[in-house]
Amino acid sequence: QKEVEQDPGPLSVPEGAIVSLNCTYSNSAFQYFMWYRQYSRKGPELLMYTYSSGNKEDGRFTAQVDKSSKYISLFIRDSQPSDSATYLCAMSAGEGGSNYKLTFGKGTLLTVNP
Amino acid sequence: NAGVTQTPKFQVLKTGQSMTLQCAQDMNHNSMYWYRQDPGMGLRLIYYSASEGTTDKGEVPNGYNVSRLNKREFSLRLESAAPSQTSVYFCASSAYRQLNQPQHFGDGTRLSIL
Repeated sequence: QKEVEQDPGPLSVPEGAIVSLNCTYSNSAFQYFMWYRQYSRKGPELLMYTYSSGNKEDGRFTAQVDKSSKYISLFIRDSQPSDSATYLCAMSAGEGGSNYKLTFGKGTLLTVNP
Repeated sequence: NAGVTQTPKFQVLKTGQSMTLQCAQDMNHNSMYWYRQDPGMGLRLIYYSASEGTTDKGEVPNGYNVSRLNKREFSLRLESAAPSQTSVYFCASSAYRQLNQPQHFGDGTRLSIL
């Protein structure tokens, strides 16, 4: 089982839809969770950063972490064509050893149609 | 506000040629990273430098060397390029030395080895 699983999509939605993007993971030591957005031919940019379980909201974006299910989600409300990009989840354990590094999902390609 | 700057943006090499990819950040960050991104493989860590004067291997270091020239600059060298090293290379930096902290990425170098 891969450490981080992310459905690659592609996911196509109409403008204004609510988008749900998800990752599952197998390493119970993970406690730092991030979502990155990557536009075509650009580098990833950090969208959301959460520690441990719970929800975090930033404008139209909400990140959820369920450590008991080893499942994280990113919700995008009122999606816009400018949200069309690849979304990468990333996560890491706390202290020490090889768990220190960020482990990335492979990304989900999202297209929001006008 | 430049952030992380990578040069060159594109490069084509012949098998066996050598090349150095340059990266500079202007955010006064302590840590810097080199990743490669391949279709279906996601982002994989090649080398990192937790602080000026230190470098360590990541997940896929074979065939690469790095130099942390100063706090701003971190270069990646391919001594004898191979077709398997065809990829998009991203440099990233973070404020803190722990690898689990949010990272800020450059826009990548697209490298083709013929």
